[in-house]
Amino acid sequence: DSGVTQTPKHLITATGQRVTLRCSPRSGDLSVYWYQQSLDQGLQFLIQYYNGEERAKGNILERFSAQQFPDLHSELNLSSLELGDSALYFCASSVSQRGPRDNEQFFGPGTRLTVL
Amino acid sequence: AQKITQTQPGMFVQEKEAVTLDCTYDTSDPSYGLFWYKQPSSGEMIFLIYQGSYDQQNATEGRYSLNFQKARKSANLVISASQLGDSAMYFCAMRESGNQFYFGTGTSLTVIP
Repeated sequence: DSGVTQTPKHLITATGQRVTLRCSPRSGDLSVYWYQQSLDQGLQFLIQYYNGEERAKGNILERFSAQQFPDLHSELNLSSLELGDSALYFCASSVSQRGPRDNEQFFGPGTRLTVL
Repeated sequence: AQKITQTQPGMFVQEKEAVTLDCTYDTSDPSYGLFWYKQPSSGEMIFLIYQGSYDQQNATEGRYSLNFQKARKSANLVISASQLGDSAMYFCAMRESGNQFYFGTGTSLTVIP
């Protein structure tokens, strides 16, 4: 158990809908990362938050948005869903403070999104 | 050009032997980090090892070591004394100074008893 929790574990929805994926980082971790893993696109970095602020942006579509709340949990919002958005969405956390382990990431179990 | 290239879609190794998984990268950023992750068939993602571009020594974490050859832009993962539990997909990734991550397509490793 990595200490990172993601809910829900599975999500089935229809095209055009909107969903929210939730991630709670390990206690004490300030950074949260979101990744998408699909058969078509492979693994892709979406976005990173550090202590509530957006730190880096990857291949995140405009239909997708994320935020990190004061208690450090994060949500990834996916709207106007398309069939191609079906994927496994991972959240990871890291301490992100200068030190020997600051690049070590801990992954949640993922949310499997199926868009029908 | 691909930022991360993993040329071995599948690899086999005998139990207790060492295996090297290849990874080459492409960046003009002087400051970057290289990562390896493991994804077993159960689907979870596990961080294995990290190497910074300015690190003088190759990173090691238990049976994992990263063979970092900066001039050749390669960051191969070496797994020593392979175990059956090492059978999984392995992904190489790079983070540039702007914190953008790039992943390779992965190598499927099978450990043979």
